[in-house]
Amino acid sequence: HTVVTQEPAVSVSPGGTVTLTCGLTSGSVSISHYPSWYRQTPGQAPRALTYSTNARSSGVPDRFSGSILGDRAALTITGAQADDESTYYCVLYMLGGVWVFGGGTKLTVL
Amino acid sequence: EVQLVESGGGLTQPGGSLILSCEASGFIVRSNYMSWVRQAPGKGLEWVSVIYSGGKTYYSDSVKGRFSISRDESKNAMLLHMNSLRVEDTAVYFCARGPPNFLEGAPFESWGQGTLVSVSS
Repeated sequence: HTVVTQEPAVSVSPGGTVTLTCGLTSGSVSISHYPSWYRQTPGQAPRALTYSTNARSSGVPDRFSGSILGDRAALTITGAQADDESTYYCVLYMLGGVWVFGGGTKLTVL
Repeated sequence: EVQLVESGGGLTQPGGSLILSCEASGFIVRSNYMSWVRQAPGKGLEWVSVIYSGGKTYYSDSVKGRFSISRDESKNAMLLHMNSLRVEDTAVYFCARGPPNFLEGAPFESWGQGTLVSVSS
């Protein structure tokens, strides 16, 4: 039973760059998993950021970029701002037509 | 403008049933793939089910055999029939819209605000 893994918590300084990652307990993440990223603040619905590894959803600033780094999917945020504080989720497409979310990374900007 | 509005949540006992509805505006539900995603109190997101534009459906292992996803085209809505509910099904249930075709956009591009399902004796 493969699990999607994310760092539980990460911090970044205002104006800094941070990379969040998304892996598998068994195997490597590839473009065939169509990795996508979402952010969510408490009490709100999630918002789409990137999809199909590195495409950006409509209206998402280019400070957010998706990629594959080694055996993991990654979301890089450049020029971090205070309102980037959120929980970030990746989701992967798996064989059998199912999608699996990671556990989320709580990003703190301080 | 795309809008998704969930309804049908509430309190039910273990073993009970509920039907959730996601009414859409600004697009045609049958033209896009649509999903249900849930979030237990204080926990992360969990994908539940998807219905593709061609009608094919898939479920997470945790709900397979108990939940059924469908469309009500007369109401431009997506439904989730939930049977044999368990305490661990307690969550906010979000509906989410994907693109018409697999690679044309994020799988969960637009979201509703969610409806709370509570399963308790």
